[in-house]
Amino acid sequence: AQKVTQAQTEISVVEKEDVTLDCVYETRDTTYYLFWYKQPPSGELVFLIRRNSFDEQNEISGRYSWNFQKSTSSFNFTITASQVVDSAVYFCALSESHGQNFVFGPGTRLSVLP
Amino acid sequence: EAGVTQFPSHSVIEKGQTVTLRCDPISGHDNLYWYRRVMGKEIKFLLHFVKESKQDESGMPNNRFLAERTGGTYSTLKVQPAELEDSGVYFCASSPGMGGRKNTEAFFGQGTRLTVV
Repeated sequence: AQKVTQAQTEISVVEKEDVTLDCVYETRDTTYYLFWYKQPPSGELVFLIRRNSFDEQNEISGRYSWNFQKSTSSFNFTITASQVVDSAVYFCALSESHGQNFVFGPGTRLSVLP
Repeated sequence: EAGVTQFPSHSVIEKGQTVTLRCDPISGHDNLYWYRRVMGKEIKFLLHFVKESKQDESGMPNNRFLAERTGGTYSTLKVQPAELEDSGVYFCASSPGMGGRKNTEAFFGQGTRLTVV
């Protein structure tokens, strides 16, 4: 069975602080894909990153970075020097190789205070 | 290029009424998905179309929900009759066809917030 856990329900930080959002997943597949989506106050889901299970190389994109650790089934997301515009709900999601649908985590609400 | 669009953005209906949600995927995307987030819980998969065919509808909660995708273009999700527990945000997403590009990122719409009172 697939499952995605985001243990942090809500996080508040002050602008310019670094923040890490945790994501732990469960799957029996050896081939799978992990995603992060951002849901700003406007409501839409914005794609941030996709990572396949064979690529454990960490990725950095501007202030965003992702740490994929298969050994601990984690795919954590770090925002460096957070900004108020980063305030949103962030969802981690898992998709197994045999299907196209996603299993989402419950989301982490990030509030970046000025 | 237009993204995934959903209509309406917000709907308030009374229990027992019927509501139809519409999703226009990105042009050329064969895959279309419906998801919903109820009462602030997880975003849950409802169903998946490949063109006009239902590939997977295992997430549909009950027979009050009917999804169609006429001609493999836009899709509608009808709830009839609506119940209080159907309140939530309904998301539509689309992704390109398989063609060796499995599990590409899905592009999501802005969602329809459904409130049943």
